[in-house]
Amino acid sequence: DQQVKQNSPSLSVQEGRISILNCDYTNSMFDYFLWYKKYPAEGPTFLISISSIKDKNEDGRFTVFLNKSAKHLSLHIVPSQPGDSAVYFCAASPFSSGSARQLTFGSGTQLTVLP
Amino acid sequence: KAGVTQTPRYLIKTRGQQVTLSCSPISGHRSVSWYQQTPGQGLQFLFEYFSETQRNKGNFPGRFSGRQFSNSRSEMNVSTLELGDSALYLCASSLTPGTVQETQYFGPGTRLLVL
Repeated sequence: DQQVKQNSPSLSVQEGRISILNCDYTNSMFDYFLWYKKYPAEGPTFLISISSIKDKNEDGRFTVFLNKSAKHLSLHIVPSQPGDSAVYFCAASPFSSGSARQLTFGSGTQLTVLP
Repeated sequence: KAGVTQTPRYLIKTRGQQVTLSCSPISGHRSVSWYQQTPGQGLQFLFEYFSETQRNKGNFPGRFSGRQFSNSRSEMNVSTLELGDSALYLCASSLTPGTVQETQYFGPGTRLLVL
């Protein structure tokens, strides 16, 4: 049973428009969430994170929104650029558990930004 | 500064064999985590090592094991390989186990194919 789900395996967006990637989780113990980006033949790179005490975190073109009641988070990329084309992974952790490294990842969403 | 390196990058084995994968963390990083990525399953946490000690372990059978050396380099071993072990194995390093907020840096992975 996947505790972190990314239901859209792929997403195509026109350059300059907004990309919205979604992630749902089922484990109520998760209270820290991260997004990673992965290019082919490379390992994932950290993008942005959010703790459950916040509902929004922004870093440049990237904003993550957290809806705790719906157990849902989303990553917004505005404006989207062709270089953003990659697989995006959502990850979650029970921050206070002590198992800080035991991230649970979603299956990823392939974002393609069309020029 | 060099990133996380993993060797070999690609590996083909047959069922029943065993395999050892190697990870060299970023210089100065002492925490190493391993993840398995399979199609449709996202990244699944295998284990984390710090100061030559396993700190956390994911939900994998005992066929999966690892170790860390005094120079922080880590190896993982899979014995009695099964077809389902075919995956991309990713290693990530960080300065210390610290908290989940401390960024982990991923290597490019070792792609294992079991025939």
